[in-house]
Amino acid sequence: AAGVIQSPRHLIKEKRETATLKCYPIPRHDTVYWYQQGPGQDPQFLISFYEKMQSDKGSIPDRFSAQQFSDYHSELNMSSLELGDSALYFCASSLGTGGDEQYFGPGTRLTVT
Amino acid sequence: GESVGLHLPTLSVQEGDNSIINCAYSNSASDYFIWYKQESGKGPQFIIDIRSNMDKRQGQRVTVLLNKTVKHLSLQIAATQPGDSAVYFCAENPPPGNTPLVFGKGTRLSVIA
Repeated sequence: AAGVIQSPRHLIKEKRETATLKCYPIPRHDTVYWYQQGPGQDPQFLISFYEKMQSDKGSIPDRFSAQQFSDYHSELNMSSLELGDSALYFCASSLGTGGDEQYFGPGTRLTVT
Repeated sequence: GESVGLHLPTLSVQEGDNSIINCAYSNSASDYFIWYKQESGKGPQFIIDIRSNMDKRQGQRVTVLLNKTVKHLSLQIAATQPGDSAVYFCAENPPPGNTPLVFGKGTRLSVIA
């Protein structure tokens, strides 16, 4: 069965650079969530979209923005990168608005040097 | 590479024994709960879920118990296998619908062959 696809899988950037992470949800899923997971930490919710509209916002820095496109894929744009942004970034998708059964992608490992 | 769960509590069990992983959740109004398994460098993988109108749910080799009185979840894994070694997170879905998951602190399960 098709799963959530994230690209790139690994990304190395320098401080103050920008990065764009992409997420392709499971087909027919209309809700996308972004999470950040630091070393030894649990995933922290950043932002979510339902039917191309932002549905919820968590601890996403102002330097980050995201959107969901007409084909339901989502992009997380990160600017003025800081060392502390180094983490695993996961995208999850679900069908509908209940937040049920969120399926996670393999993640993008971002390293800021 | 970098591992998830470097500073997490660890549960070590002998192969073939049963494992019990505990989790305290925060919101008494949460109505949906999920256990995820996360292997190093991978995204969280859905294991089993339970709704607040139930106190027990069984899957294949796994059982989730919910005690709403003390806001406690447990995951029981029968006949633990080396492939069960991973970090396990519980997550709660606070109402209303379309809200992001709130993850609890993970527990690293280490299976001793």
